[in-house]
Amino acid sequence: QSALTQPPSASGSPGQSVTISCTGTSSDVGAYKYVTWYQQHPGKAPKLLIYEVTKRPSGVPDRFSGSKSGNTASLSVSGLQAEDEADYYCGSYAGSNNWVFGGGTKLTVL
Amino acid sequence: QVQLVESGGGMVQPGRSLRLSCAASGFTFSSYDMHWVRQAPGKGLEWVAVIWSHGSDKFYADSVKGRFTISRDNSKNTLYLETNSLNSEDTALYYCARDGYGGYGDLDYWGQGTLVTVSS
Repeated sequence: QSALTQPPSASGSPGQSVTISCTGTSSDVGAYKYVTWYQQHPGKAPKLLIYEVTKRPSGVPDRFSGSKSGNTASLSVSGLQAEDEADYYCGSYAGSNNWVFGGGTKLTVL
Repeated sequence: QVQLVESGGGMVQPGRSLRLSCAASGFTFSSYDMHWVRQAPGKGLEWVAVIWSHGSDKFYADSVKGRFTISRDNSKNTLYLETNSLNSEDTALYYCARDGYGGYGDLDYWGQGTLVTVSS
């Protein structure tokens, strides 16, 4: 089970949009609709932002959206706000009752 | 409200064991699959294990297979992780998490974690 590949960092100014990629393989991201995104602030537990590629749990602002093309999933954040500064992790079902996460992306709001 | 509270972490010597617990409240525990996920200091998330709601099906990451055992007591609303033959690579914050949306790893609630430090 190899980790999914995310860029280590991303940044944007308040009000701008940013997209974070998550690249897997045809055995995980490319094979299933079960891609998730989590937000983690320092010293806090991860928070579910996106599940099943595009769905948002109740309470998550619609500024956060997910998509997938082939083996790569993406998280887009529009209208960046200071509180969006955090680490973001993607995750995917990898078949045979296994799951894999990405290495994480640190989002900086300039 | 949904609450998950982990306990049982600590400092342990290589080769020793620890039993982690996760007390659940605010939802029907027996209806949900549950996961353990860990995070080494300054590192990313790593999936560790899952147990189905009824407790009979359990699956593990290759990195812990044969050394860790996940279990649950639905009468006590508690999830467990028995960790054996610990080594330095097992040093991490261990989170329990609820699989909320359909059993495919949509982890909608997480505890605050319990820290396991393996050191001589």
